[in-house]
Amino acid sequence: SQQGEEDPQALSIQEGENATMNCSYKTSINNLQWYRQNSGRGLVHLILIRSNEREKHSGRLRVTLDTSKKSSSLLITASRAADTASYFCATDAYSGGGADGLTFGKGTHLIIQP
Amino acid sequence: DSGVTQTPKHLITATGQRVTLRCSPRSGDLSVYWYQQSLDQGLQFLIHYYNGEERAKGNILERFSAQQFPDLHSELNLSSLELGDSALYFCASSGNTIYFGEGSWLTVV
Repeated sequence: SQQGEEDPQALSIQEGENATMNCSYKTSINNLQWYRQNSGRGLVHLILIRSNEREKHSGRLRVTLDTSKKSSSLLITASRAADTASYFCATDAYSGGGADGLTFGKGTHLIIQP
Repeated sequence: DSGVTQTPKHLITATGQRVTLRCSPRSGDLSVYWYQQSLDQGLQFLIHYYNGEERAKGNILERFSAQQFPDLHSELNLSSLELGDSALYFCASSGNTIYFGEGSWLTVV
């Protein structure tokens, strides 16, 4: 089954620096989503990019999607301590947009050093 | 606050026992999804209900079952519990966006 795989597994940077996380998947998708999870908490939806989009912005977040390489990246600019969390990509193979087809990767654990 | 409510937040139980996890979706959302998150398997989709009807099944064990009631809340029943069932169980509901609850931590000892 298709699965998003994030890279790196863990990333530690200084506050103010940019953080980039990558996600690769295996088969065709309708959209790809990024989520954040603070330690032991629920997942928070960050951004959704559709298969016909190449780039999307939301505040300090920038997501790119390359369907030819089956990969996506999440860039967090000007990182803050509060950005410390695990970040997951999730691929959706179904056009309905619901969570049936959501397949999550194992996540990237991001640590922002003050 | 996502608006999705899950209870209990934590529970510890012994192998062989049965537990019920409860989820209340966001007001107006008809869909409820259940996910399991464990260290080794990551986030796994278990089952989806829409307006009381089962819509899709994922990697849900036969020992697990779920239902959605007329008031749209859902329950996930886990029986004959094993140590490997220890995990964080999430419920999510969706309208235009998917919202996850805070999860129920299950520890089987």
